[in-house]
Amino acid sequence: SQKIEQNSEALNIQEGKTATLTCNYTNYSPAYLQWYRQDPGRGPVFLLLIRENEKEKRKERLKVTFDTTLKQSLFHITASQPADSATYLCALGNNDMRFGAGTRLTVKP
Amino acid sequence: ETGVTQSPTHLIKTRGQQVTLRCSSQSGHNTVSWYQQALGQGPQFIFQYYREEENGRGNFPPRFSGLQFPNYSSELNVNALELDDSALYLCASSLGQDRLKNIQYFGAGTRLSVL
Repeated sequence: SQKIEQNSEALNIQEGKTATLTCNYTNYSPAYLQWYRQDPGRGPVFLLLIRENEKEKRKERLKVTFDTTLKQSLFHITASQPADSATYLCALGNNDMRFGAGTRLTVKP
Repeated sequence: ETGVTQSPTHLIKTRGQQVTLRCSSQSGHNTVSWYQQALGQGPQFIFQYYREEENGRGNFPPRFSGLQFPNYSSELNVNALELDDSALYLCASSLGQDRLKNIQYFGAGTRLSVL
């Protein structure tokens, strides 16, 4: 069966450090993968999309990698700030987007 | 803010009742998807509508149904409510079917509690 796994339910790091979140998938052949941020009581907000032929994508302090051989995407936040504290979701699919369970990131001052 | 609005924000129903949730898409978006999000879980895909036709469905029973209107607003209807239907229901609109247009723009959701 198809699965999307984000291997950390929660991640606590110190301000200024780099946060690395993992998304693994099985039985998918996605053309692209997306990352979203969700704050408590709100809907997810799109952050980045990476295509199957892209190894890496950057946006300000965010970096995403996509390894279709390993079936894995890594999401990095560099120079993390307390305002980065949120749940981060990976998603893939076409007209039926499937989300992982998310990783709750807490950045401590 | 995404421009996607959902109503109501909160709702309490009893088991066996029916409920209708509403969603207004972002301007220019012709595709709407509905998701169910239980506490501590990621959004689970219910179905998607594209130009008023259902265009994909997740693993949800037929008592979950939907509509999309000519102005691309949408409804989610759930019949015969069960306790397990208690969740946050999210609506997301997107530009269309092309991979680069399938970025989901979410509303804030409707919190449904079934007692």
